[in-house]
This record gives sequence, C-alpha cells and structure tokens, in this order.
Amino acid sequence: SQQGEEDPQALSIQEGENATMNCSYKTSINNLQWYRQNSGRGLVHLILIRSNEREKHSGRLRVTLDTSKKSSSLLITASRAADTASYFCATERRGSNYKLTFGKGTLLTVNP
Amino acid sequence: EAQVTQNPRYLITVTGKKLTVTCSQNMNHEYMSWYRQDPGLGLRQIYYSMNVEVTDKGDVPEGYKVSRKEKRNFPLILESPSPNQTSLYFCASRENSAEGYEQYFGPGTRLTVT
Repeated sequence: SQQGEEDPQALSIQEGENATMNCSYKTSINNLQWYRQNSGRGLVHLILIRSNEREKHSGRLRVTLDTSKKSSSLLITASRAADTASYFCATERRGSNYKLTFGKGTLLTVNP
Repeated sequence: EAQVTQNPRYLITVTGKKLTVTCSQNMNHEYMSWYRQDPGLGLRQIYYSMNVEVTDKGDVPEGYKVSRKEKRNFPLILESPSPNQTSLYFCASRENSAEGYEQYFGPGTRLTVT
C-alpha cells in the first residue's frame, strides 16, 4: 500500500516563484526522502530527513518534517524551468528492511 | 562515478518469452532492490536483497524471480512475462546500515509485453 501521499498532484508556477509540495504518511518512519524524476527517467535523490530532525536545507531545497502530524513539505525556492519534473516523497519505515514506500508524486511545471 | 546500471533500457517482447533485466552497482552496496512504476500506482517494490544469497519478496513479487550470486549484480527474471508486467522497472541500491541512507536508482528499463 502507498504510505506517502503528495499534495498537490500537479503544480504550475512561473520561473522565480517558490514551489511547495506536501507529503503525508501513515506509520512510524526511520526517515523520509524526496526524489525527483524527469519524464520517464530515473529517480534522483534530493534530500533525506531523519525522524529526529525537523528541518533540512540543501541549496534551494528546504524540507520540513512533522512526525506528530506525519507530514513533510518540500520547498523549492527561486524555481527554474529545469526544475520541471515529478517529485516523490518516500518513507523508510521501521522494520521494513529499508523498503521505500513511495507516494504518487507531484508534477511540477515551471514556466519560463 | 557511483552508479547503478540496467540493461536493456527498452524491451518489447511477447507473452511467455523468458527475459532477464540486469542490474549492476559499483558502490559495494549490500542492499539492492527492484521496483516497478505504473501510472496511478507509483513505485512498488518487487524484490530486495540484503546481501549475497539473501533475497526476499517485496509488495508485488508474483511473476518475478531474482538472484544475488555476487554483490554487484541483482538480475530480475521474468520466466513467463504477461501483458500486466508491462511497466517501467527500476533497480536501486544502498548501504546496509541502520542509519538513514539514500537509495541510488538505475536509469530504468521500459518493458512492453504484447
């Protein structure tokens, strides 16, 4: 079953704007990861946040994690056309032997 | 360069014709896994391997086999492919540690079974 659910399913913004995507999950996790996928291509790891962390930054990316609400958000600041892709959250649950459970993704379109 | 490679990248085959999708990683990772990606269903795990000679089922193992005879390779075998196995397949690997580590994904294999 899908653990992560991203919201919104699709997001269209202008270059330079910020993009925020949300992810909710159902059970206790070891960590939550965000991946990017360009159309039909491989997944690229963006950022990992552990269950005892609340916020993490990497370049233009900011991820938050609220374990009490079982939710995470990914913020991309000053977006570029090259950020156009699908973004997936994936949770690694305790006792799951490192299995990643993916959400269905948010399709982000950044218009030049 | 650290990477996971898959071959072939694209494959069109017919029902019942056995096929193997190869996966290889150069990072000395103990853990490897296969996922399939389908529209509306996201990515689902097929099989995984914690180490050489140790494999186990994921969420959707029916119709698939795997083997792990050496650390770097983790082939996915479809003994008798059916049209419902038409999908985009990804191999992944990571370090085998309780600490949180990212998974490295291969470029994907797009399989069509007619």
